[in-house]
Amino acid sequence: EIAMTQSPATLSVSPGERATLSCRASQSVSSNLAWYQQKPGQAPRLLIYSASIRARATRIPARFSGSGSGTEFTLTISSLQSEDFAVYYCQQYNNWPLTFGGGTKVEIK
Amino acid sequence: EVQLVESGGGLVQPGRSLRLSCAASGFTFGDYAMSWVRQAPGKGLEWVCFIRSKPYGGTTECAASVKGRFTISRDDSKSIAYLQMNSLKTEDTAVYYCALHSDIYMPRFDYWGQGTLVTVSS
Repeated sequence: EIAMTQSPATLSVSPGERATLSCRASQSVSSNLAWYQQKPGQAPRLLIYSASIRARATRIPARFSGSGSGTEFTLTISSLQSEDFAVYYCQQYNNWPLTFGGGTKVEIK
Repeated sequence: EVQLVESGGGLVQPGRSLRLSCAASGFTFGDYAMSWVRQAPGKGLEWVCFIRSKPYGGTTECAASVKGRFTISRDDSKSIAYLQMNSLKTEDTAVYYCALHSDIYMPRFDYWGQGTLVTVSS
């Protein structure tokens, strides 16, 4: 099983600032990684897939971008808006079982 | 518009069974793979089971934590995915989400339902 580790667990950011979230896989997952956003009481929502800056899901703003391959990945939110404060999860889909990271909570500083 | 609506959750005693349903609309259900993902209270996401579309054999995958106890199935004529949960344990308590995979070879979770809560307690 591929273990996914996200850091930091909590990220305190002011509105308008840049946020950088990290995800590490215990072995290579190529570019087969996705990022999700989850707000309290809501289902997760797909943001980014194929760990690529161009592979944003439908209606995801351009301020969200992804990068990385192999074992190291990054989600960047270029200028945090109030609606972006949430928990973010990475997920690998290169191997079975499908696995998620533990999440990074982005909170208002 | 893709819609996924889960139902069937509730309070159940340890060792008993429960069947969850996921009613789909807004897309050709039979063309796509589906999964169930769960989230224990205050915890992260855990993938549970996956089922391929019939053109790809309709075969399934399940997490080790539920293998032998949970079964995923689908009724394409009704556009419903099911999760049959047997021998339930307290640690199965979670919100259960169904999710759609738009790419069978790259099983990211493209769309999610709102979830149904399963509580396993005596």
